[in-house]
Amino acid sequence: EVQLVESGGGLVQPGGSLRLSCAASGFTFSSFWIHWVRQAPGKGLVWVSRVSADGSDRTYADSVKGRFTISRDNAKSTVYLQLNSLRAEDTAVYYCAGGTPATGTALWGQGTLVTVSS
Amino acid sequence: QSALTQPRSVSGSPGQSVTISCTGTSSDVGGYNYVSWYQQHPGKAPKLITHDVTERPSGVPDRFSGSKSGNTASLTISGLQADDEADYYCLAYAGSNTVIFGGGTKLTVL
Repeated sequence: EVQLVESGGGLVQPGGSLRLSCAASGFTFSSFWIHWVRQAPGKGLVWVSRVSADGSDRTYADSVKGRFTISRDNAKSTVYLQLNSLRAEDTAVYYCAGGTPATGTALWGQGTLVTVSS
Repeated sequence: QSALTQPRSVSGSPGQSVTISCTGTSSDVGGYNYVSWYQQHPGKAPKLITHDVTERPSGVPDRFSGSKSGNTASLTISGLQADDEADYYCLAYAGSNTVIFGGGTKLTVL
């Protein structure tokens, strides 16, 4: 089955860290760019970060630059998002989403919830 | 990196057509032919409806169509059905391998 599965979310105190994982299966993972997108409770979608298919190019939204780091391991078909210096406003469901120039960003995971609270 | 501008809500009756707009700038919507639209039902992950302005993934009905003029992209849904009731988001390439979402539009089928 073609899918992306996120994991690693949970409850963390302000200033803390988490590492999210996005595991892929059923397709040629190394051909796909991967985005992380978040959605705060009751709010809209917000782009967080993107990594190119080969991992050489990584970009970030201004709101997370310097605090979050995206990486990928194509041998393990997995993308990671390291979240550091977490703030209450980082509380959201985090989705990973993948695509190619031919398909657009068509493949989405089910999301993992990150809650930042004391 | 302000969100693209979408109407907060639109509505239509079954069988009618509705159009959702997405307004940006010449640095995003107007600068590239890389606009996508997503449908999101409550509690679900977003689903790609169109990409590269007008391209529809396989399985998406041709009732959904995308277009663009200048700095504004649009999603038109014809022959409205009850299951079309959802939130809709536009997504545009903004240069330097970054993208930006619209604020989202809630579609109500009356």
